[in-house]
Amino acid sequence: QKEVEQDPGPLSVPEGAIVSLNCTYSNSAFQYFMWYRQYSRKGPELLMYTYSSGNKEDGRFTAQVDKSSKYISLFIRDSQPSDSATYLCAMTKSGGSNYKLTFGKGTLLTVNP
Amino acid sequence: GAVVSQHPSRVICKSGTSVKIECRSLDFQATTMFWYRQFPKQSLMLMATSNEGSKATYEQGVEKDKFLINHASLTLSTLTVTSAHPEDSSFYICSAWDSLNEKLFFGSGTQLSVL
Repeated sequence: QKEVEQDPGPLSVPEGAIVSLNCTYSNSAFQYFMWYRQYSRKGPELLMYTYSSGNKEDGRFTAQVDKSSKYISLFIRDSQPSDSATYLCAMTKSGGSNYKLTFGKGTLLTVNP
Repeated sequence: GAVVSQHPSRVICKSGTSVKIECRSLDFQATTMFWYRQFPKQSLMLMATSNEGSKATYEQGVEKDKFLINHASLTLSTLTVTSAHPEDSSFYICSAWDSLNEKLFFGSGTQLSVL
């Protein structure tokens, strides 16, 4: 079993739709959870960063962490064509300088105008 | 603007040559940088952790003699792919840890194609 599982998609939605992306993980030691957006042939861009369980909202993006279920989600409201990208979940056991992330495979999202 | 600069963005080389990729933190000092490789439709795989002033820590299965990492200053880490072969063709990405703001920033990546 991989440490982090993420459905690679592809996921195609119409503009304005609510998008739900998620990852599951097996290692209960993970404490910090992140979502990155990666456009084709570019480096990942940090979207959301959460510690432990709970919700975090930033504009159209909401990140949820459920440590009891080992499940994290990213919701995108009012999706736009510019949101079309690969979304990667990532997690780590500790913050600080030991910031070694374990990534999911990424979900390719296309938002159609 | 970008806070981590990675160059070159794309390189094509002949088999057997060496290629150097640079990763610079522009707005902060990075004692720790990371190097990843990513194959098409695959996730990022950590290759090594680069620490300023000391030897890099390589992940299992990564050949340290093939992928030379130098982190000689707080703003620059380099990855040299020595004697490159076609199987080394991949997308290489660096990241730098901003300890002051506790955030990890990525470079824009380097597409390496070995003919």
